[in-house]
Amino acid sequence: DIQMTQSPSSLSASVGDRVTFTCRASQTISTYLNWYQQKPGRAPNLLIYDASSLQSGVPSRFSGSRSGTYFTLTITGVQPEDFATYYCQQSFSTPYTFGQGTSLEI
Amino acid sequence: QVQLQQWGAGLLKSSETLSLTCAVQGGSFSGYYWTWLRQSPGKGLEWIGESNQSGSRNYNPSLQRRVTISVDTSKRWFSLKLSSVTAADMAMYYCARARIAAAGHLEAFDIWGRGTMVTVSS
Repeated sequence: DIQMTQSPSSLSASVGDRVTFTCRASQTISTYLNWYQQKPGRAPNLLIYDASSLQSGVPSRFSGSRSGTYFTLTITGVQPEDFATYYCQQSFSTPYTFGQGTSLEI
Repeated sequence: QVQLQQWGAGLLKSSETLSLTCAVQGGSFSGYYWTWLRQSPGKGLEWIGESNQSGSRNYNPSLQRRVTISVDTSKRWFSLKLSSVTAADMAMYYCARARIAAAGHLEAFDIWGRGTMVTVSS
């Protein structure tokens, strides 16, 4: 199985900050990497697919990038509704796997 | 707007079979893989498996011996059965739509159900 490692496990920020989440794949996965946001008591919500493509309806302050097996999700100008947990997920091969998540906290 | 409505028994005894169903409301039923995932504090988010409308299925090898995913195209439903449950199977179970890219690979899980909490008692 492909292991997805996210860092850090939690991140503190203030409204208006620029924050970056990191995800590393245990092997090459090309750009087959997705990012999800999950709020307490809710299902995950797709933000970014194919490493850098913005899902329809997602604010443009969210962006994604790739460098080799490292992937980043950036929020430029954190809003109050962005405080949540963020997960990466590889869609390169089955079984599809997720990172353990990064919690964005005030 | 596509929505997934899921239901099923949330309280099971050890060794019983978990059975959940998800109805696809709106949108197309073909051209996607219909997927089950689960989330627990210990294992995080875990992909269980998927099926398309033609019955082409893929399962997580860690669960393959116990899992069956089926599709009813006439009702626009898909279902999960997980046999011989134990405490390790306690989790929030989600159904989701797997969007497929033009090249044929999984693109992302773009629509999710609200989840069903499954508890297993001994």
